[in-house]
Amino acid sequence: EVQLLESGGGLVQPGGSLRLSCGASGFTFSSYAMAWVRQSPGKGLEWVSGISGSGDSTYYADSVKGRVTISRDNSKNTLYLQMNSLRAEDTAFYYCAKETREGDYPTLFDSWGQGTLVTVSS
Amino acid sequence: EIVLTQSPATLSLSPGERATLSCRASQSVSIYLAWYQQKPGQAPRLLIYDASKRVTGIPARFSGSGSGTDFTLTISSLEPEDSAVYYCQQRNTWPPLTFGGGTKVEIK
Repeated sequence: EVQLLESGGGLVQPGGSLRLSCGASGFTFSSYAMAWVRQSPGKGLEWVSGISGSGDSTYYADSVKGRVTISRDNSKNTLYLQMNSLRAEDTAFYYCAKETREGDYPTLFDSWGQGTLVTVSS
Repeated sequence: EIVLTQSPATLSLSPGERATLSCRASQSVSIYLAWYQQKPGQAPRLLIYDASKRVTGIPARFSGSGSGTDFTLTISSLEPEDSAVYYCQQRNTWPPLTFGGGTKVEIK
């Protein structure tokens, strides 16, 4: 059974930094692209970033480009999102999501974690 | 960036009724449109991909159709557990991947 477990969320001041982690199990992690998708409380879904299975290719939404870095450690079956220069509008639940097809781009997600809440406030 | 517009915002129907949800794209996404279901306090769940392909394990009452810019998710006979918000998502032109604003389905 695929399991994704996010951690690292919390309260941070504007301008601060946070690193989110997503531990994966139940599948060959290195074979699947992964992504981060966020959801502000009571709002819709917003794609944040994606990464290939090898980690060689990364993709970002314009709203976070230059402030966020996605990475993965395939030896630890873990996905990361380093978030810097945080703003109030970054407040959201952050979900990690697994691409459906092995070897494909991170564009279609068949498994999601339960999310970790990031709150940016002074 | 491709904008996805979902309608209606809210749909209130009785059990057994047919629900028709719409997703319109600002430009063609070919068939690369997916539908997700999200219940309160839960992560999204993939229902339909490539416009009409149902994910294994998803009940047959869920079906998708469309291509280009106009897509429909149909729930043929609503069950109480279908109460949720439904999102469409395109992957034809990215980054960025984009989602629609969602349609909330309420069961009377």
